[in-house]
Parts: sequence; C-alpha cells; structure tokens
Amino acid sequence: AQSVAQPEDQVNVAEGNPLTVKCTYSVSGNPYLFWYVQYPNRGLQFLLKYITGDNLVKGSYGFEAEFNKSQTSFHLKKPSALVSDSALYFCASSGNTPLVFGKGTRLSVIA
Amino acid sequence: NAGVTQTPKFQVLKTGQSMTLQCAQDMNHEYMSWYRQDPGMGLRLIHYSVGAGITDQGEVPNGYNVSRSTTEDFPLRLLSAAPSQTSVYFCASSYGESTEAFFGQGTRLTVV
Repeated sequence: AQSVAQPEDQVNVAEGNPLTVKCTYSVSGNPYLFWYVQYPNRGLQFLLKYITGDNLVKGSYGFEAEFNKSQTSFHLKKPSALVSDSALYFCASSGNTPLVFGKGTRLSVIA
Repeated sequence: NAGVTQTPKFQVLKTGQSMTLQCAQDMNHEYMSWYRQDPGMGLRLIHYSVGAGITDQGEVPNGYNVSRSTTEDFPLRLLSAAPSQTSVYFCASSYGESTEAFFGQGTRLTVV
C-alpha cells in the first residue's frame, strides 16, 4: 500500500527566506508524486509533480521539489517566501489507486 | 471553462436523512474521486471511478454510495447521515494516475 507522510504540522518562515516543506513516501514500484496547495475555503490546486526523469521538478508560483529516491523524500522548496504563500500544503502519491494524501502542512510566512 | 463543479456548497442534515452530493466535470476525464477532509486528517479517499460503469472503494467507504453512469457525473450518496459524516467533501477528476487532478470547490456538510 502506498502512503505519504508530512512530518511537520506547521512551518513558519520569514518573508524573503527560503522555505522547505517536507514529505516522505512509501510506494512500491516507481512513485508518482505530487504537491497541492489549498487556500482558505477553496479546493486544492496543483503545484507540481514527479513522474520520472530529472530529480528537481519546477512548478507553479516559483515552487520546486526535489525527488530523492535513497531517502524516499519529495520536499517542496522555494528560494524566497512570500506572505501570499501562506496556505495548507499537501503531498500526495498515486499508483494503483487515486491520490493518497499526507495530512498537510500549514505554512505561515511572516512579514 | 467550468472544470469540476460540486453542488451544493453547504448543507445541513439531520441524523438519518439521506442526500446526494453532485459532481460534474467537463474535461472528459476518466478518473473521478471523492474525498473527505477533516482537521488533522488530510484528505481521505471515499470512493473512486476509473471510467463509466466502474467504481471502487477507497479508505473510508462506509455510509457512502456512488455510481458512474456517464463520464461527466459522479454523485456521492449518503444513505443515512450520521454526525461522524460532518466534513468537507471534495470531488476530483483527472485523465489518469500520472496526471494532475482537478478539484471542485468543496461541499461543507454538517450533520446534526
């Protein structure tokens, strides 16, 4: 069975600083990995995905994620955080079933 | 370009009542899914479909029923509402397991 873990419930970062939101996965075979963002009272929006190929994936709004097979991780990163990045972030995987989500990490960017 | 449309946006039910949450997509996606979102639990998969006429159970299927008679529509039925089904429900669709999923705006359901 596939699973995804987000070890941090909350991440706080100052505006302009780099941010990292962590994700680890447990998937048999080759994983399909995704990051989604949820703003208050909204549905989820796709940020980026890893299917195969380059381990560094670039996505929307300046976000990127690094796939690390040896550490089974897929951390979300951004070089310089904005206050508008404050939201709930979900890591997810898919394979033989539809998306399986982590529990989410709330990112707060402080001005 | 509507994307994924869920109705209603809000609903209050009494324990024991039944209702149907509607989900429609206009992107000709084969895959459709229903999730519930509860605080601290992330999104949990209720039921899903990989094409018209095909449905399967997810992680938390009890108390819910689905059907997929057309590619566009994937309604979720609550058979006999219970307070434990108070949640925010999201419908999602995609072309397949390696493609991005599109989500509806959600239905906030309260069972009293």
